[in-house]
Amino acid sequence: GQSLEQPSEVTAVEGAIVQINCTYQTSGFYGLSWYQQHDGGAPTFLSYNALDGLEETGRFSSFLSRSDSYGYLLLQELQMKDSASYFCAVRAGDTGRRALTFGSGTRLQVQP
Amino acid sequence: EAGVTQFPSHSVIEKGQTVTLRCDPISGHDNLYWYRRVMGKEIKFLLHFVKESKQDESGMPNNRFLAERTGGTYSTLKVQPAELEDSGVYFCASSQGRLAIYEQYFGPGTRLTVT
Repeated sequence: GQSLEQPSEVTAVEGAIVQINCTYQTSGFYGLSWYQQHDGGAPTFLSYNALDGLEETGRFSSFLSRSDSYGYLLLQELQMKDSASYFCAVRAGDTGRRALTFGSGTRLQVQP
Repeated sequence: EAGVTQFPSHSVIEKGQTVTLRCDPISGHDNLYWYRRVMGKEIKFLLHFVKESKQDESGMPNNRFLAERTGGTYSTLKVQPAELEDSGVYFCASSQGRLAIYEQYFGPGTRLTVT
């Protein structure tokens, strides 16, 4: 089976840096994706890591360590609009399946 | 370019009734997925179409759920008869290309409430 673990909630202040961790267990690993979802909105793709290391996209970066089955999303210069839920996701492990399995999400609260 | 659209945005029905949700993917996207999020929990996979064919329906909870994708364009998800535990937000997503599995474009969802 597959499982992903994320903290349920994280709080930070505007301008700060926050790291959202994700550990996963999966039979067959192909990469880790991150999605953002504002309340009442659609999940939006943020990043994808297939290889170890850090991928940077503006204020957001995503890191992967395949040997540790671990990744994180790093948000810098936090803004109020970053308050949202963040999901990590992996491809379903069975060969041939092309679906995503999502974690339970981390609710980020940015305070002034 | 228009994004993924879903209709209706909200639906409130009574237990035992039937509801049909519709999803219009991004034009040209062969992959279409249905997901469900219940009570703020994880987003759970329901099924995956490639064009008009069901590629994977392993996430469909039971035979009260029926999904179709007419001509490889829009898709419908019918719940018949609805039960209380079917309440949740149903998302549709579409994708195309090399990262199609990992980079999916989601619609705004249909919030289904079964009373």
